[in-house]
Amino acid sequence: DTAVSQTPKYLVTQMGNDKSIKCEQNLGHDTMYWYKQDSKKFLKIMFSYNNKELIINETVPNRFSPKSPDKAHLNLHINSLELGDSAVYFCASSQDFPSGSLAYNEQFFGPGTRLTVL
Amino acid sequence: TQLLEQSPQFLSIQEGENLTVYCNSSSVFSSLQWYRQEPGEGPVLLVTVVTGGEVKKLKRLTFQFGDARKDSSLHITAAQPGDTGLYLCAGKDNNAGNMLTFGGGTRLMVKP
Repeated sequence: DTAVSQTPKYLVTQMGNDKSIKCEQNLGHDTMYWYKQDSKKFLKIMFSYNNKELIINETVPNRFSPKSPDKAHLNLHINSLELGDSAVYFCASSQDFPSGSLAYNEQFFGPGTRLTVL
Repeated sequence: TQLLEQSPQFLSIQEGENLTVYCNSSSVFSSLQWYRQEPGEGPVLLVTVVTGGEVKKLKRLTFQFGDARKDSSLHITAAQPGDTGLYLCAGKDNNAGNMLTFGGGTRLMVKP
């Protein structure tokens, strides 16, 4: 069974379109994340979300919005796609621990979605 | 904003050689993780270090957390082609929730 799955694997679209990437985790984790990995392989957090709190990286444009229908899913919706949005997007999940906890925060990553905006 | 800098960015070596990858920051982290990412896949956790000065070994891989918890190193002994991949360090600040800050990565290629 795949722990964290994403669809689609590849997404090619025109500038200005609206698209969504889906993510599902079957690990029973409380927290899910979206990351963007650019062409230089730099992995940057976009969102952290659990049923209590959405944390948004302040550098993420408001064209990007996470949508969570339930605890096991966190989809990424992107409006008015731009050329600079081309990247690989990774979904991840982890078990939630109280802030200040010494518990490890291992994050399990999905296989990624390669988005190409033409 | 906490930043993690990894060096070198690229490393190409012959099978059997040793190598060290560094992860440095001016910030203190509660814990630091190392991930390995292969082409077309997501990162996979290798190890988590928590205590300053901590050393952990995973077969031919040795991980060390700096005494001040601001830096870490990954040493690979007798590298093999199967070690090829992107190595990422990631720091966690327990006072900032569960979010990780990733370094820029080190792309390692081990030639047979």
